[in-house]
Amino acid sequence: NAGVTQTPKFQVLKTGQSMTLQCAQDMNHNSMYWYRQDPGMGLRLIYYSASEGTTDKGEVPNGYNVSRLNKREFSLRLESAAPSQTSVYFCASSFRQGALSGANVLTFGAGSRLTVL
Amino acid sequence: GENVEQHPSTLSVQEGDSAVIKCTYSDSASNYFPWYKQELGKRPQLIIDIRSNVGEKKDQRIAVTLNKTAKHFSLHITETQPEDSAVYLCAASFRGGGNKLVFGAGTILRVKS
Repeated sequence: NAGVTQTPKFQVLKTGQSMTLQCAQDMNHNSMYWYRQDPGMGLRLIYYSASEGTTDKGEVPNGYNVSRLNKREFSLRLESAAPSQTSVYFCASSFRQGALSGANVLTFGAGSRLTVL
Repeated sequence: GENVEQHPSTLSVQEGDSAVIKCTYSDSASNYFPWYKQELGKRPQLIIDIRSNVGEKKDQRIAVTLNKTAKHFSLHITETQPEDSAVYLCAASFRGGGNKLVFGAGTILRVKS
């Protein structure tokens, strides 16, 4: 049982290059998230997918796109990387999301450190 | 808008002392408040959480209190140990977008032995 797996762990890009961060979970969770973490700024939500087939913007979506490929996989794409996107990216998943249940426990991946030169 | 403020940003305590970290949230309808611990270079991991129908929850040396009227919640660590040194992240659920979590900026806790 691997939990949440994200790749790559490290990546260096030049300004303007594109790349995709991959995330997969094997816990049969319905909801998946992408956060970025910068010094002194906690975790900021980029995009999330409450259930398979849906995606929504979070706090800082500009410059990113996402795809919920299936229930297990949720990818984050940078079409034209900028130095401001240098950060540590965390994928997370939870069993469900919703007004009746409240937010649920997040399980995080190990993180992907991205540097844009 | 959706906002969680966390204080202090850094906290140094002597081993054996208590540590308290406080967060305030903006949405009176928030109903779930987790705390995550993140060791250097590691992923955040849940240490304790509380829902809006209770005022306090304890788990050994860790406790969380919630004041819904004032819209703040706090993490209390007693008898701190060097292994408690980490970044602590609070979060609150917000109604917009199906109760997604918004995090505070984090508190660096250093326990000096």
